[in-house]
Amino acid sequence: KAGVTQTPRYLIKTRGQQVTLSCSPISGHRSVSWYQQTPGQGLQFLFEYFSETQRNKGNFPGRFSGRQFSNSRSEMNVSTLELGDSALYLCASSAGTGVLYGYTFGSGTRLTVV
Amino acid sequence: EDQVTQSPEALRLQEGESSSLNCSYTVSGLRGLFWYRQDPGKGPEFLFTLYSAGEEKEKERLKATLTKKESFLHITAPKPEDSATYLCAVSFITSGTYKYIFGTGTRLKVLA
Repeated sequence: KAGVTQTPRYLIKTRGQQVTLSCSPISGHRSVSWYQQTPGQGLQFLFEYFSETQRNKGNFPGRFSGRQFSNSRSEMNVSTLELGDSALYLCASSAGTGVLYGYTFGSGTRLTVV
Repeated sequence: EDQVTQSPEALRLQEGESSSLNCSYTVSGLRGLFWYRQDPGKGPEFLFTLYSAGEEKEKERLKATLTKKESFLHITAPKPEDSATYLCAVSFITSGTYKYIFGTGTRLKVLA
């Protein structure tokens, strides 16, 4: 059974650019959550999508957005990149009850903003 | 403020030297406490979920316990391959919405 797939694994962008990250959840999982992980702040929740609808949102500026497609694949977009956006971006999938039974994470996309 | 605190931040053990990691939380309406293991360059890997005080779960050399204010992850006779960052997370309901927050983790290094 394939796990959660995130692409690309590594990305280098220039300040002011925008970036799109992709996540394919485990087959059959309809919930996809996104997290930002940095050494200082740990894992910070960005947003969660379930059946193409945003179900929950963290405290991040509007430059961070996401969407989910009908096949449950999800994308996350960050516009007008700042140096502080450099982080590991993790995607997690669940069958819909991750808050009760836990999540399966991908290996992440390492974003470096220069 | 809803918060999850893990201690210690880092821990070095000799192989076979048992110890415990702590996860304390200040949330109301707890629905579950979760332990994950994260290896460098990878995403967190789910280990356990605990739902109520007094509950215990075991997996190989790991045993997780839960009280009303904290959870412990006991590592018995650790091996070098147990070296990783261990994260805890809690799910709870606030203002009618589920929240899921992580602690900052304990970096465990087991020396051969």
